[in-house]
Amino acid sequence: GQNIDQPTEMTATEGAIVQINCTYQTSGFNGLFWYQQHAGEAPTFLSYNVLDGLEEKGRFSSFLSRSKGYSYLLLKELQMKDSASYLCAVRDSNYQLIWGAGTKLIIKP
Amino acid sequence: IAGITQAPTSQILAAGRRMTLRCTQDMRHNAMYWYRQDLGLGLRLIHYSNTAGTTGKGEVPDGYSVSRANTDDFPLTLASAVPSQTSVYFCASSITSGSTGELFFGEGSRLTVL
Repeated sequence: GQNIDQPTEMTATEGAIVQINCTYQTSGFNGLFWYQQHAGEAPTFLSYNVLDGLEEKGRFSSFLSRSKGYSYLLLKELQMKDSASYLCAVRDSNYQLIWGAGTKLIIKP
Repeated sequence: IAGITQAPTSQILAAGRRMTLRCTQDMRHNAMYWYRQDLGLGLRLIHYSNTAGTTGKGEVPDGYSVSRANTDDFPLTLASAVPSQTSVYFCASSITSGSTGELFFGEGSRLTVL
């Protein structure tokens, strides 16, 4: 079956750096997405990786290793507003998105 | 403001009743999707539509139906609601179904079936 694994919850300190990992086993691979979802709100797009390596976008970076079925989202200079759930999703060979359950990130002052 | 609009935002429904969740987008996206989100689970695809006039079943289609009469609208109907359909429902769209572009989500419809 298809599976996306990410930690359920993480805690970090304001101003610090946090890395949220995602591992996947899917039928084919056509890209990996990270979304941010604040409590009670809709998911919003953060990043997309289809080739191996690091994609940087401001304070957020996303890394992909297709051979290892692994990605991480790196958040730098954490702010209180970064408290949210972070969803990892993989587009499979049928171009359907398979979603992880999300990682709830708690930022403490 | 361009985007996706869902209605209602919240609804309490008696079991056995019929319910339609509405979804409208003004981005002229070809592909549209309905997901449900439950605590501890990832978003699960209910139905999708790659283009107006076509629909397909997702991971959890039972008890739900959709239609796509035009590009903008993609309503989701629960013919006879059951308590296990209590969830938050998100409508989403993308430029095309096979694109590398991201999904845009509506604000969600919180449905409680008693």
